[in-house]
Amino acid sequence: SAVISQKPSRDICQRGTSLTIQCQVDSQVTMMFWYRQQPGQSLTLIATANQGSEATYESGFVIDKFPISRPNLTFSTLTVSNMSPEDSSIYLCSAASIGDSLFYEQYFGPGTRLTVT
Amino acid sequence: GENVEQHPSTLSVQEGDSAVIKCTYSDSASNYFPWYKQELGKRPQLIIDIRSNVGEKKDQRIAVTLNKTAKHFSLHITETQPEDSAVYFCAASKPSGGSYIPTFGRGTSLIVHP
Repeated sequence: SAVISQKPSRDICQRGTSLTIQCQVDSQVTMMFWYRQQPGQSLTLIATANQGSEATYESGFVIDKFPISRPNLTFSTLTVSNMSPEDSSIYLCSAASIGDSLFYEQYFGPGTRLTVT
Repeated sequence: GENVEQHPSTLSVQEGDSAVIKCTYSDSASNYFPWYKQELGKRPQLIIDIRSNVGEKKDQRIAVTLNKTAKHFSLHITETQPEDSAVYFCAASKPSGGSYIPTFGRGTSLIVHP
């Protein structure tokens, strides 16, 4: 299994500012994802981070608001831009690779708890 | 796209009882079904998964069953313990062209009373 770390673990930010979240995986992985999770809610996929190319965004999420980088197979960043209180949430990095079952096994980072005031 | 429905949203059981969480999916091409456990304030953790060519899989007190015809799959936890209390998420996915995008259910909050 992959071990995933995220920085920062939490932050309190002023509206209108931007925050970049870093995600590091301890091994090369095929796919990396960014999710948002409101307290008590399910996981909402923001985008798939593609190595060396633009991320693939889900409906309702745009690159200008959530720019993503993935310079190599073990690292990705998510920026939450021009923040508003509605962006307050937990942001989770995730990685997936082919496992023993020959299917993708997906693992999650510990999350970044963002509060926008 | 895929749509995953998960029931119940909350499940309360006594320690030692069994718990069953059910999910249905819409896309018959989905062929991989993982289950995740998320304890309060922690990350989701993969606890068991099943492929579409398998009807049942067990791992100690946890089992997952899959009915491809009916497009539903279930998580069974036997002899529940207080430490089983968490939110459980099901997911359905269909690896395609080298990519993998799972669709998650809304989650079930399991409460095991001692």
